[in-house]
Amino acid sequence: EPEVTQTPSHQVTQMGQEVILRCVPISNHLYFYWYRQILGQKVEFLVSFYNNEISEKSEIFDDQFSVERPDGSNFTLKIRSTKLEDSAMYFCASSRTEVAYEQYFGPGTRLTVT
Amino acid sequence: AQSVTQLGSHVSVSEGALVLLRCNYSSSVPPYLFWYVQYPNQGLQLLLKYTTGATLVKGINGFEAEFKKSETSFHLTKPSAHMSDAAEYFCAARTGTASKLTFGTGTRLQVTL
Repeated sequence: EPEVTQTPSHQVTQMGQEVILRCVPISNHLYFYWYRQILGQKVEFLVSFYNNEISEKSEIFDDQFSVERPDGSNFTLKIRSTKLEDSAMYFCASSRTEVAYEQYFGPGTRLTVT
Repeated sequence: AQSVTQLGSHVSVSEGALVLLRCNYSSSVPPYLFWYVQYPNQGLQLLLKYTTGATLVKGINGFEAEFKKSETSFHLTKPSAHMSDAAEYFCAARTGTASKLTFGTGTRLQVTL
């Protein structure tokens, strides 16, 4: 069964450094998402992406964040200058169409900023 | 704004007992509703969804949920808990044309012998 994959599973970085989190969505899916979950808190929407552009973003997704689909398979989330409060589990998700309501989630990348 | 509330951050049941995990939503229009399960060190797996039509929806692993518009609820049930059901369960909602999911805070289900 196809699944969303994410790398790395755990990333440790120093405050102020740039990080890139990688995701490989399910191959025939067209809509891509990033969510994050700070320890002990709810899963929060960051951004959705379709047709090589952002279709929706939350107030969390400020200028420090960017997303890209650099090739036909990867979907990346870049944090330009990490802060301590960026420490969280980051989930990538994809869906086949916007009408196909199911979003399929990857296992997550745990980002720890020290 | 859309919000999802899950009552009870921790629920403990005995194996074989009824599982009831509560979810309420606030929305001016009926949303699309989902339950996801997260096992340790894994991603979120879709258990079931309500979009339109029949208000009682069945999902994987014997779970079901009923959409009750009058109560703005979408509670998750399973008649008989199994040890393998121990996990974190998230209720989520999506409204109209917005693609994002709004999640509740999650309920950790513990199943005891």
